[in-house]
Amino acid sequence: LAKTTQPISMDSYEGQEVNITCSHNNIATNDYITWYQQFPSQGPRFIIQGYKTKVTNEVASLFIPADRKSSTLSLPRVSLSDTAVYYCLVGEMDSSYKLIFGSGTRLLVRP
Amino acid sequence: ETGVTQTPRHLVMGMTNKKSLKCEQHLGHNAMYWYKQSAKKPLELMFVYSLEERVENNSVPSRFSPECPNSSHLFLHLHTLQPEDSALYLCASSQGPSGGTSYEQYFGPGTRLTVT
Repeated sequence: LAKTTQPISMDSYEGQEVNITCSHNNIATNDYITWYQQFPSQGPRFIIQGYKTKVTNEVASLFIPADRKSSTLSLPRVSLSDTAVYYCLVGEMDSSYKLIFGSGTRLLVRP
Repeated sequence: ETGVTQTPRHLVMGMTNKKSLKCEQHLGHNAMYWYKQSAKKPLELMFVYSLEERVENNSVPSRFSPECPNSSHLFLHLHTLQPEDSALYLCASSQGPSGGTSYEQYFGPGTRLTVT
């Protein structure tokens, strides 16, 4: 499994765009990149998943450069409720049970 | 509503007690998972069941015993736990790994376990 590296924490203010970058230098050809969000004392929640280029859904965008050695989760116009831990995971589609959660990035959104 | 429920939500037990955690998924998934999350530590994958067969056991002590009677239910039986086992225990389910088009895992709210 490809190891991922993320910043431990980030601070932002309401209404700003937040970009969290994840490094995964050893990503394999069949690996997908997935991001989860976790609030205190709750289970993680799936945010977005992608393989290459850009993926966008109603809550976030995921940017993946051509070499796929990194990815950036972009949260547009964050609110206080976006304060959470964000996890970047890399793995094959057929190995969902092999998801390994790292320490994640603790995002604090201030008023 | 995540479609994955866990009971109880909170549990306090002594080191000599025996208790069980229950997880139920209403999503028609065929894989279920137990995770442990200790304070300020990453989630640790404990057990994985796929089609009711255990496919992963990450060197978990025998005082934790999982049971998956059918694809919708997952139990974690606890006995003679240690204080360091106090943590949030999370259950999850997914469509994968076999036949899945996404490995999105749906998590329950967790059971906050305190061992005294």
